[in-house]
Amino acid sequence: GENVEQHPSTLSVQEGDSAVIKCTYSDSASNYFPWYKQELGKGPQLIIDIRSNVGEKKDQRIAVTLNKTAKHFSLHITETQPEDSAVYFCAAGYSGSARQLTFGSGTQLTVLP
Amino acid sequence: ETGVTQSPTHLIKTRGQQVTLRCSSQSGHNTVSWYQQALGQGPQFIFQYYREEENGRGNFPPRFSGLQFPNYSSELNVNALELDDSALYLCASSSDISRDTEAFFGQGTRLTVV
Repeated sequence: GENVEQHPSTLSVQEGDSAVIKCTYSDSASNYFPWYKQELGKGPQLIIDIRSNVGEKKDQRIAVTLNKTAKHFSLHITETQPEDSAVYFCAAGYSGSARQLTFGSGTQLTVLP
Repeated sequence: ETGVTQSPTHLIKTRGQQVTLRCSSQSGHNTVSWYQQALGQGPQFIFQYYREEENGRGNFPPRFSGLQFPNYSSELNVNALELDDSALYLCASSSDISRDTEAFFGQGTRLTVV
């Protein structure tokens, strides 16, 4: 089955700096890669996703890149703000499975004011 | 807010007991997936229901079972509870098994087994 590894497990940045979180996956059949933000006491919230026919996707301060050959994808957050502090999860899945996702172990992002 | 609601929000059970968790999917969604999230870990896929049928199961024993109702709400049942079953249980709904649609999560049910 699919295995997703995520690094780093914790990340502290100064407000205004950029943050990068990286994930690798093992199953070449995976073609859908969402990123979720989870705040304390809440369920994961989808923040951005990318499909395997696209190499990069941006949404305001958030961007995701995908390298299918190397089987890795990354989340980039620019101009970080204190409200970006949360746990971020990457995940992998494939079309037709209606989002039976395999998640990474999470990154605790702390944005220092 | 995703429109996915779970109940109860917190639950304490004794080892060996049985528990039922409930999930109401977002309006228009016909697929519900259940995940277990242990403390400090990412969610792990338990199983998925599509139009009242199980469609896919993760590496969980048979004492984890589920149902989906005609209105697409769902239940997760766990028999013979073990201490390691203590976790946040999440459900996620999506709109169609054959389309590329996002999965939206509820806030979860925190289960503690003592």
